[in-house]
Amino acid sequence: DAGITQSPRYKITETGRQVTLMCHQTWSHSYMFWYRQDLGHGLRLIYYSAAADITDKGEVPDGYVVSRSKTENFPLTLESATRSQTSVYFCASRVQGGSPLHFGNGTRLTVT
Amino acid sequence: KQEVTQIPAALSVPEGENLVLNCSFTDSAIYNLQWFRQDPGKGLTSLLLIQSSQREQTSGRLNASLDKSSGRSTLYIAASQPGDSATYLCAVGTTDSWGKLQFGAGTQVVVTP
Repeated sequence: DAGITQSPRYKITETGRQVTLMCHQTWSHSYMFWYRQDLGHGLRLIYYSAAADITDKGEVPDGYVVSRSKTENFPLTLESATRSQTSVYFCASRVQGGSPLHFGNGTRLTVT
Repeated sequence: KQEVTQIPAALSVPEGENLVLNCSFTDSAIYNLQWFRQDPGKGLTSLLLIQSSQREQTSGRLNASLDKSSGRSTLYIAASQPGDSATYLCAVGTTDSWGKLQFGAGTQVVVTP
């Protein structure tokens, strides 16, 4: 099916471990985004990308790394997970800057 | 920095009543404004996108207005139904080419039968 697929849907990891959240979209959208959603903070932008090999930091990038070697994939890596990174992570994409933003169903990450 | 506020945080209405959801923003230099719906445990679903040059957008029972000068947008949902129960978020697009969105905290809506 077309759309944005995030995997895994749920993930439990330990403090200090590296974990990668996957995002795959089938629309060939140029722009892709990673947000985290927390009670009391709402949705905050972590990283974004305008095309393959073009990425930039958002509002809360510390502790995260992204890559985009292919247009359709935009993985998010937590290099050394901390409890403060326990959150729901959403990937999103759009065709261009002024077009609607479409979201995946999210990954619920718990860091113990 | 752009601040986006949605008041009230929660709203309960009887079925059939019209819903009025408010969104305010501090910087009128916006690229666009988008309304989303979020169901529990799910991602965000795009409802309406209003470009900065537009005053309103309509889709079915939904109508969104935009007043940049006063920093406000309103989402109207006509003849509410229990299936409209969800959290509604507005997001303001920045004027750079990336179109990054700044989100409000959302309004949680319950429509009672």
